[in-house]
Amino acid sequence: EIVMTQTPISSPVTPGQPASISCRSSESLVHSDGNTYLSWLQQRPGQPPRLLIYKTSKRFSGVPDRFSGSGVGTDFTLEISRVEAEDVGVYYCMQATQFPWTFGQGTKVEI
Amino acid sequence: EVQVVESGGNLVQPGGSLRLSCVASGFIFSDYNMHWVRQAPGKGLEWVSHINGGSNDIQYADSVEGRFTISRDNAKNSLYLHMSSLRVEDTAVYFCARDLRDNYSIDRWGQGTLVTVSS
Repeated sequence: EIVMTQTPISSPVTPGQPASISCRSSESLVHSDGNTYLSWLQQRPGQPPRLLIYKTSKRFSGVPDRFSGSGVGTDFTLEISRVEAEDVGVYYCMQATQFPWTFGQGTKVEI
Repeated sequence: EVQVVESGGNLVQPGGSLRLSCVASGFIFSDYNMHWVRQAPGKGLEWVSHINGGSNDIQYADSVEGRFTISRDNAKNSLYLHMSSLRVEDTAVYFCARDLRDNYSIDRWGQGTLVTVSS
């Protein structure tokens, strides 16, 4: 099983300022097809998760462009260029390169 | 509008069984792989199981292998999770989730249904 580790666990942010979350996998997430199946999800309080980024850097439909993903191999980053109040919640990275799919432990973003 | 709606969560005793259901609408259900993901109270997300559109590719987390069975009825646009030999640690909100086709991710989630395992 691939272990996903996120840092930080908690991130106090200031509206209008950037924020960054890191995710590291215990082994490379490069699939045999050449793609890297790393996603980022946001979970607001009391809500189900919402997909933000898939395949490391592809923004899902309707996601604001202040969210961006990057990374390669085992190291990945989610960046929020200018945090807004509605971005409060817990963010998870998820690998889908190999079963069982696994999540990071979550990063709580709070104002 | 794409929707998945779970039902069937309940209070059950350790060792008991329960079947969760998920009804999909707004998309061609048989074209999509589906997943169950769970979240224990106050904890993070845990992927539970996957089934492809034709039900011939099924995967489970080690923690539920041999106890849980995923299935689907494409004619009824429905996904199921049969859970047996339930343990206290299976207590969680169970989410039905749609696969992001050809992109190995999850793009739609239900609101979840709560399963509580307790004596």
